[in-house]
Amino acid sequence: KAGVTQTPRYLIKTRGQQVTLSCSPISGHRSVSWYQQTPGQGLQFLFEYFSETQRNKGNFPGRFSGRQFSNSRSEMNVSTLELGDSALYLCASSLHRMETQYFGPGTRLLVL
Amino acid sequence: GQQVMQIPQYQHVQEGEDFTTYCNSSTTLSNIQWYKQRPGGHPVFLIQLVKSGEVKKQKRLTFQFGEAKKNSSLHITATQTTDVGTYFCCDRAGGTSYGKLTFGQGTILTVHP
Repeated sequence: KAGVTQTPRYLIKTRGQQVTLSCSPISGHRSVSWYQQTPGQGLQFLFEYFSETQRNKGNFPGRFSGRQFSNSRSEMNVSTLELGDSALYLCASSLHRMETQYFGPGTRLLVL
Repeated sequence: GQQVMQIPQYQHVQEGEDFTTYCNSSTTLSNIQWYKQRPGGHPVFLIQLVKSGEVKKQKRLTFQFGEAKKNSSLHITATQTTDVGTYFCCDRAGGTSYGKLTFGQGTILTVHP
């Protein structure tokens, strides 16, 4: 089976812009979670989607949002980008909730 | 909110030496998962521990879950250069935060040949 794919892999934006990142889970997986990884803060949970519904949300401002489509693909959106949003954004999928998560390669976002 | 503390932050070993990383929480952990992230890579699932006092082994890796479910450890025997990377523990929450993962800060392991 193909693994989790994320697009784009790299992105450069400027402050104030918005960005949309995409995640395609492993075929058959219905749960998708998003994480932000930075050297200072480590891996931080953003949100989890299952059956097109957000099931959990981490401690991030409302500028961070996401959605999941009927085919389980997911997108996350960050509006009004700030310098501190520069990070590796990782998506992970699992067959069902609370099961092993398989991470994608991530999207590296640089905000200038 | 819940915090998962992981120590040490860094560990440098000579190839062949053993390595241990510890994961601690002030609150009871639900399910502990361990991941490894190679430099430039993404986290890869290693194992999940669910039961109090559980011990699991994968070749040279031994994982333990504390009796009180407030700590966990990963021990690598006779490290190899392929063990280089960052090891993360995380708690997969139950209850009202069902499914939410809280990661430790990770332990960066360097193995000198």
